[in-house]
Amino acid sequence: NAGVMQNPRHLVRRRGQEARLRCSPMKGHSHVYWYRQLPEEGLKFMVYLQKENIIDESGMPKERFSAEFPKEGPSILRIQQVVRGDSAAYFCASSPDLNTEAFFGQGTRLTVV
Amino acid sequence: QKEVEQDPGPLSVPEGAIVSLNCTYSNSAFQYFMWYRQYSRKGPELLMYTYSSGNKEDGRFTAQVDKSSKYISLFIRDSQPSDSATYLCAMSKSGGGADGLTFGKGTHLIIQP
Repeated sequence: NAGVMQNPRHLVRRRGQEARLRCSPMKGHSHVYWYRQLPEEGLKFMVYLQKENIIDESGMPKERFSAEFPKEGPSILRIQQVVRGDSAAYFCASSPDLNTEAFFGQGTRLTVV
Repeated sequence: QKEVEQDPGPLSVPEGAIVSLNCTYSNSAFQYFMWYRQYSRKGPELLMYTYSSGNKEDGRFTAQVDKSSKYISLFIRDSQPSDSATYLCAMSKSGGGADGLTFGKGTHLIIQP
């Protein structure tokens, strides 16, 4: 039973480019959460999605960031026009329902140069 | 006041010692409490998951929750060098993080052989 799969593991983008981070939840999990971990900071909640729906995006920056979880395929976190401050580790977690603990992937480390 | 406070450490103890890790929080709405272990450049790994107040034991790990004091603890018995990692406390109002987990910044633990 594979865990939460994230790719790429490492991503380097120049300022102004777009970054696309992908997350495949564990088998049977339909709830996906994205978190960001800045250097020397704790994990911060960004967005919670179910298939084809954004449930809670209260942690998402208002501009340049978007997330989706289509009916088929992985969840995507998209960052447009990246800036140096976007450099961080981005983690995806999944759970089978609302009342069960979430499991995390290994993360995507984004470096903006 | 931050929602979740956690001493960043580092906390260095000799092998075999009992380790005590703690978090305090301010939001009385939190009902679910978790401890994650995170090795360097890896994703958080769920160690303990508890609901409301009380104790939970799993092998060498014991989690305690005192909601009246807004204080949670993780104890590690017979600590091993492989326990060296960053330990993150996390909490939510609903299980699985439907409204997003709120994390502490993590305590860096070093077990000296």
